[in-house]
Amino acid sequence: EIVLTQSPGTLSLSPGERATLSCRASQSVSSAYLAWYQQKPGQAPRLLIYGASSRATGIPDRFSGSGSGTDFTLTISRLEPEDFAVYYCQQYGSSPSRFTFGPGTKVDIK
Amino acid sequence: QVQLMQSGAEVKKPGASVKVSCKASGYTFTSYDMNWVRQATGQGLEWMGWMNPNSGNTGYAQKFQGRVTMTRNTSISTAYMELSSLRSEDTAVYYCARRLQVSVAGLRKYYYCMDVWGQGTTVTVSS
Repeated sequence: EIVLTQSPGTLSLSPGERATLSCRASQSVSSAYLAWYQQKPGQAPRLLIYGASSRATGIPDRFSGSGSGTDFTLTISRLEPEDFAVYYCQQYGSSPSRFTFGPGTKVDIK
Repeated sequence: QVQLMQSGAEVKKPGASVKVSCKASGYTFTSYDMNWVRQATGQGLEWMGWMNPNSGNTGYAQKFQGRVTMTRNTSISTAYMELSSLRSEDTAVYYCARRLQVSVAGLRKYYYCMDVWGQGTTVTVSS
């Protein structure tokens, strides 16, 4: 089973700063099968990036995804107040659990 | 607009079963796979399984095999997730989530991620 590790666990930044979030897989993952989500307290997750680098509908262009193989990155170019949230990466692979999520990175206000 | 509306919160005793519903609107229910994901308080996301609403075919995470059943009623565009033999560790928010499809040059491309989510259903298991 592929395990996803996200770092850092918490990222403390100020509005306007750049955020770089990492997602590392225990085995190579197809870029087509890597996604990123944002979740705010009390809300459902929101799809940000699919296929490692494609923005979902309605997602601002300050969000970008990159990477391949075992290392993937979500970048927020300039943090807006509404971007402070938890971010999860997710991959699709074989059993026992076809979809697995990383443990999340919390981006909070410094 | 595209929406998934889930049933209300449930409180169950250990050993009981719970059935959560997810009503789809704003799109053709049978054209998109449906997933179920849960999240314990303060924890991460855990995928439980998927269902093809057109065929009724399902696939479950190994952890939930034998305890989870995903079904649908196409006449009312509603998916269901039933979890049996509940224990305290099943206390969580349960989400239904639609699998992403993207139209590229008139063709549908399927992605293994989820673009529309229900609002979540809190299930509490307590004696």
